[in-house]
Amino acid sequence: EPEVTQTPSHQVTQMGQEVILRCVPISNHLYFYWYRQILGQKVEFLVSFYNNEISEKSEIFDDQFSVERPDGSNFTLKIRSTKLEDSAMYFCANRPSSGNTIYFGEGSWLTVV
Amino acid sequence: DAKTTQPTSMDCAEGRAANLPCNHSTISGNEYVYWYRQIHSQGPQYIIHGLKNNETNEMASLIITEDRKSSTLILPHATLRDTAVYYCIVRSFTSGTYKYIFGTGTRLKVLA
Repeated sequence: EPEVTQTPSHQVTQMGQEVILRCVPISNHLYFYWYRQILGQKVEFLVSFYNNEISEKSEIFDDQFSVERPDGSNFTLKIRSTKLEDSAMYFCANRPSSGNTIYFGEGSWLTVV
Repeated sequence: DAKTTQPTSMDCAEGRAANLPCNHSTISGNEYVYWYRQIHSQGPQYIIHGLKNNETNEMASLIITEDRKSSTLILPHATLRDTAVYYCIVRSFTSGTYKYIFGTGTRLKVLA
């Protein structure tokens, strides 16, 4: 299976701090997604991104979240001012332009204290 | 978005076939059925997908009913490593993009 790489694997941050989670996509996979999973709960859709624009976002993806491709390759999720309830596993997923299947990274575990 | 319904949990004996059902009665004609699984808290792993024909790959088989309102994922010879949460997803197309919305899944436990 194609590999999506995420960093960091685990981050602990103080409440109110900014966090950036990074995703290295599969080559030529131009559609990006972020999901999150709070411990013990289901995988929730956050946002989809293509051609430097957000395609769709969920209610969870409020003004404190943002996404970008700062260098044209890596894909980032920024949480501006973290809250305790942002503690979760965040998954990046990737889809090729011509394909139908999205592939997930191994996730970044965020703990807000 | 078409909603899916799956049993909360299932057990299967090692070496036997695991049959995981999914109901998607509101599926539209051009929406695909996807199956992923998640082992512990790892990233969801793609298994298989289909539109209306039955599909088979090295991991599993997917049987879709003729009316497309339900499907079954079959793991032909379950092993202990197949213990995971299995998600049935109907891929929808909205706002110019495909959406993959996870439900609560089926927790499959393979027993020795």
